[in-house]
Amino acid sequence: DAGITQSPRHKVTETGTPVTLRCHQTENHRYMYWYRQDPGHGLRLIHYSYGVKDTDKGEVSDGYSVSRSKTEDFLLTLESATSSQTSVYFCATGGSGNEQFFGPGTRLTVL
Amino acid sequence: AQRVTQPEKLLSVFKGAPVELKCNYSYSGSPELFWYVQYSRQRLQLLLRHISRESIKGFTADLNKGETSFHLKKPFAQEEDSAMYYCALVSSGTYKYIFGTGTRLKVLA
Repeated sequence: DAGITQSPRHKVTETGTPVTLRCHQTENHRYMYWYRQDPGHGLRLIHYSYGVKDTDKGEVSDGYSVSRSKTEDFLLTLESATSSQTSVYFCATGGSGNEQFFGPGTRLTVL
Repeated sequence: AQRVTQPEKLLSVFKGAPVELKCNYSYSGSPELFWYVQYSRQRLQLLLRHISRESIKGFTADLNKGETSFHLKKPFAQEEDSAMYYCALVSSGTYKYIFGTGTRLKVLA
């Protein structure tokens, strides 16, 4: 579990402010993912990365951007937070075997 | 379109009763399917993957390509099985996951 961490774990912010969530891994996994978890919607992929500087969009990427400048870190940025982005955000990593390993989650509230 | 459907949001069973969590998928090709579980206050973790064909914590799941299903089964539910269960599919060649909406299992004493 300690191999994947997320920061912050909780955040309250106001509409229109930028927010960056960080995912850090010590597993040296190639793939990293950002999901949001909402009641009735389950887990939805926001963006994912298949290597340093290589990212691609998921099904709910609007309003989000990501960056991965090194293997260990995958940043998720909300350029201008909206109330619809209130959610629990999960980071995950994956190696060559397709299994995903999840972080503890970040609870974001946008007022 | 690729999709994973879990028709039940909540499933309540009594301890000792059999349990089946349904999962249907839509995918053109040969999918790899998984069940993930999230216990209260814990991270999501892998429970089963279809290629390993193993039983974990008494749970099994068989891939039925004809019915495009991957239902999760356990013959005798335990209270500690209470959790959120997600069925997931990985898109071949992209490492891109598609999750279902999840089923909350409650095992009653």
